[in-house]
Amino acid sequence: NAGVMQNPRHLVRRRGQEARLRCSPMKGHSHVYWYRQLPEEGLKFMVYLQKENIIDESGMPKERFSAEFPKEGPSILRIQQVVRGDSAAYFCASSRQGAQANTGELFFGEGSRLTVL
Amino acid sequence: AQSVTQLDSQVPVFEEAPVELRCNYSSSVSVYLFWYVQYPNQGLQLLLKYLSGSTLVKGINGFEAEFNKSQTSFHLRKPSVHISDTAEYFCAVSERYQGGKLIFGQGTELSVKP
Repeated sequence: NAGVMQNPRHLVRRRGQEARLRCSPMKGHSHVYWYRQLPEEGLKFMVYLQKENIIDESGMPKERFSAEFPKEGPSILRIQQVVRGDSAAYFCASSRQGAQANTGELFFGEGSRLTVL
Repeated sequence: AQSVTQLDSQVPVFEEAPVELRCNYSSSVSVYLFWYVQYPNQGLQLLLKYLSGSTLVKGINGFEAEFNKSQTSFHLRKPSVHISDTAEYFCAVSERYQGGKLIFGQGTELSVKP
């Protein structure tokens, strides 16, 4: 079984450009979570999605950031008009069960490292 | 709101020595507790978790952790480390029934030297 697949692994953008990060969950998993890891910090929760639904976006910045998980295809984290402070590693995780029943065992991808010049 | 504090940002240790990575948390509700490991340029992998029951939890690669409710701690231990244990270790909590929404500590970098 393939694990959680993220691409691109590395992405370089200039200030003002858009960044799109993609995540394909593990087979059989329909719950996706995005986390951000800033340099020298732990991971911070951003958003939790199920197919076609945003369940919890309490960790998402109010502007420029959006996420989707369509019926077909990967989940996408989109950052518009990137700034230097967006430089970070963005991790996607998936689980089989929903958050209410989930005992917290998330399966993480290898991350997408965004560098904003 | 929950928070997690990992008391050591870096822990250097010699091979075959014991190690303890410290983690304290604060929460006003019942929580689940986790330790994850991150090898360089990789995603996080679950080492072990405490949900309920026995306070001593055993995980993969010979690691174990003990939940201490009175001290709100969940320290990670291994009696004898290997070079391959060199990695970043993250302690995390989640509210019951909010398992996918983890609050992570800042991480502890374990460096095992020969």
